[in-house]
Amino acid sequence: NAGVTQTPKFRILKIGQSMTLQCTQDMNHNYMYWYRQDPGMGLKLIYYSVGAGITDKGEVPNGYNVSRSTTEDFPLRLELAAPSQTSVYFCASSYAGPEKLFFGSGTQLSVL
Amino acid sequence: AQKITQTQPGMFVQEKEAVTLDCTYDTSDPSYGLFWYKQPSSGEMIFLIYQGSYDQQNATEGRYSLNFQKARKSANLVISASQLGDSAMYFCAMREGSTGGFKTIFGAGTRLFVKA
Repeated sequence: NAGVTQTPKFRILKIGQSMTLQCTQDMNHNYMYWYRQDPGMGLKLIYYSVGAGITDKGEVPNGYNVSRSTTEDFPLRLELAAPSQTSVYFCASSYAGPEKLFFGSGTQLSVL
Repeated sequence: AQKITQTQPGMFVQEKEAVTLDCTYDTSDPSYGLFWYKQPSSGEMIFLIYQGSYDQQNATEGRYSLNFQKARKSANLVISASQLGDSAMYFCAMREGSTGGFKTIFGAGTRLFVKA
């Protein structure tokens, strides 16, 4: 049972480049989330989804886009990467209700 | 609006002693869950313990217990008999029920150092 899988694990981007962080889960969870964690800080919610076709903004959505075409996949798109987007990105999923999150292993992104 | 506050950026504890990590929260939703996660230096997020807003008793999971004081909106994590492997970042998190869209937000974290 793979759980939540994120790819890539590491990536270096140049300013202005774009990329997609992939996230897939095999637990049939309706809820999926993207967080970013800056060094020494807590996790900030970027976007989340309550089911296929439904997404909503979190605390820090600027500079990012998401889509949810299937229950399993929740990719995060960075357009025109900026140094301020250097961070570790975590994807997570959960059941509905006040349930715990299942996390991916994270993607360390540097924008230079 | 949801809010989670962890006021201790860093804490030191002697091995084998107990330590309390503070967490306060704010929500208007009557249905919510409170969580603690551990993040070791390797970076993964590890779920430790959960407390539901309607739970009458404090949650316990092995050496972890959650001191839930609903009226004071606090959810402190108590780690008993600290071990060197407990050195890590600890995050308090809250997830509101239906009115909050089941978003989970995190506090800024507390870095725990366990001394031998």
